[in-house]
Parts: sequence; structure tokens; C-alpha cells
Amino acid sequence: GENVEQHPSTLSVQEGDSAVIKCTYSDSASNYFPWYKQELGKRPQLIIDIRSNVGEKKDQRIAVTLNKTAKHFSLHITETQPEDSAVYFCAAKNFGNEKLTFGTGTRLTIIP
Amino acid sequence: EPEVTQTPSHQVTQMGQEVILRCVPISNHLYFYWYRQILGQKVEFLVSFYNNEISEKSEIFDDQFSVERPDGSNFTLKIRSTKLEDSAMYFCASRAYDQPQHFGDGTRLSIL
Repeated sequence: GENVEQHPSTLSVQEGDSAVIKCTYSDSASNYFPWYKQELGKRPQLIIDIRSNVGEKKDQRIAVTLNKTAKHFSLHITETQPEDSAVYFCAAKNFGNEKLTFGTGTRLTIIP
Repeated sequence: EPEVTQTPSHQVTQMGQEVILRCVPISNHLYFYWYRQILGQKVEFLVSFYNNEISEKSEIFDDQFSVERPDGSNFTLKIRSTKLEDSAMYFCASRAYDQPQHFGDGTRLSIL
């Protein structure tokens, strides 16, 4: 089955700087890659997603890149703000299946 | 914005007892899911449900678990004989056709 690795497990960034979180996946059939933000005690909230027919997607300060050959994808947050502090999870899915396989999470802390 | 709602927010149950976790998916969604998250760990897929039947389940979803959509709005997860290791946050999710999964706020299940 699919296995998703996520790095780093914790990340501290000065406010205003950029943050990058990286994930690798094992199943070459995976073709959908969402990113979720989870604040303490709250639901995972979808912040951006990308499908395998696209190499990059951007939404304001957030961008995701996908390298299908290397089977890795990354989340980029620019101009970080204190409210970006949360745990971020990557996930992977094959459109033929229902199961989302999550990474182990990255705790992002923005230092004011 | 419509949301997935879950009740109760916190459930405390004696080991060996049955517990039912309830979810109201977003009204026009057709695909339903249960995930769990043990404290400090990643989100794990349990089961998906479509067209009144289980479409996929993980190895975690053994015979003590069952799901049901008893009416047009609710989606429930039943654990027949709870164990200490069932203590976790349980998230319900739903989605429309070809759309991302949206998560509820979760039910924290504590087994004593």
C-alpha cells in the first residue's frame, strides 16, 4: 500500500520568512495530493491540493509543487504570519481508491 | 460555508462497552469516511462508504467496527466492544463527486 513520508517533523521560521515542507510517496499510481492544516484540537482543513497532471499550483501565499518522477511533493508558504502556526499534513491518494494516506505531520511555528 | 458536524465532541466510555459516534455530512455529498488520529500521531483511514455500502476499509477496521447511514442525513461509526487502544480522535469526512474530502471537528473518544 501507499506510504507517505513527511519532513521535517518540526519547523520554526521567523515571521515573514518562507517555510517549506516536503513529502515523498511510494505508490506511483497516486495522483492526488492534498495538504491539510490542523490547529490544536481542530479538524484538518484543506489548504491546497494538486493533481498529477499539474506540476505546480499556487494560491496566494501557498504553493505546492509535484515531481512525479521522484515521487515527491512540497508545500511552500511565503511571507509567513503567526496564524500559519499549526500542524501540516500532506496526503496522497489514487483516484481509483477512496483512502487518503497521510504523512506524519509537520509542526510549524512562526516566531514573531 | 457548509460543514461536517460530529457529535458528541467528547465521549468517555468504559472498556468493553459499545459506543456510537455520529456525523452529519455536508448535505449534497455522496462519499463518507471515518478516520482516526491517536494523540500526537498522523490521521489514519478507517473506512469509506458510498451508495449505502462500504467501498473500502483499512486493516484497522476489524469486526468490532461497523458503519451505518440510518437515514438521509446521519452517518455513524459503531465500536462494539471498546478497548483501551481505541482511545483517539475520530474524524468523519465527506465529499462530493470529484471533490476534496472535508473533515468534521472530530469526536475525542476516551476509553477507561
